[in-house]
Amino acid sequence: QQQVKQSPQSLIVQKGGISIINCAYENTAFDYFPWYQQFPGKGPALLIAIRPDVSEKKEGRFTISFNKSAKQFSLHIMDSQPGDSATYFCAASKGSSNTGKLIFGQGTTLQVKP
Amino acid sequence: EAQVTQNPRYLITVTGKKLTVTCSQNMNHEYMSWYRQDPGLGLRQIYYSMNVEVTDKGDVPEGYKVSRKEKRNFPLILESPSPNQTSLYFCASRSQGAYSPLHFGNGTRLTVT
Repeated sequence: QQQVKQSPQSLIVQKGGISIINCAYENTAFDYFPWYQQFPGKGPALLIAIRPDVSEKKEGRFTISFNKSAKQFSLHIMDSQPGDSATYFCAASKGSSNTGKLIFGQGTTLQVKP
Repeated sequence: EAQVTQNPRYLITVTGKKLTVTCSQNMNHEYMSWYRQDPGLGLRQIYYSMNVEVTDKGDVPEGYKVSRKEKRNFPLILESPSPNQTSLYFCASRSQGAYSPLHFGNGTRLTVT
């Protein structure tokens, strides 16, 4: 019940295309869903996050879509650029709890071809 | 510059030889945590600390120890490393609120032969 399942494991997209990464969770108590971006040799960094009171959040070319009934959320990268090539992790937590432990997905390696 | 600093970046050791990976943050964060990253498994939490002298197990604590004697430091100790602890390790910190972003260090790649 604590798992977050992420797909696909890897993704190749042409420059200018749309990259879509999907995540599914089981624990209905989760109320915070961030996405982290990791470049080679670096630690993950927060990219964008959503809470379940909204179905979509957009920041520049990055959009999170959230489907509470299906217990799924996804990251859409519009007009993908070679600089977006990185590993992306979705995560979920019960932010209202004392520890707010983040459960991470398995990661998706994105390659954007010029 | 606000940052989480881990040392060393790379470490090769042999089975059974005790080692410590240091982690320090300069953001006055209460919460600190250690993760390991393995292909296909994502990031899994090893230990976390809510504040000084308060630590607790994460999802994969076996074979690891931590301590939190000062707010800024959170070392990870492997008293008797084994090959299955070969991995990429990350230290992270955040402020008290659970909706606050985690700030990660740049990782320590450990190889145990």
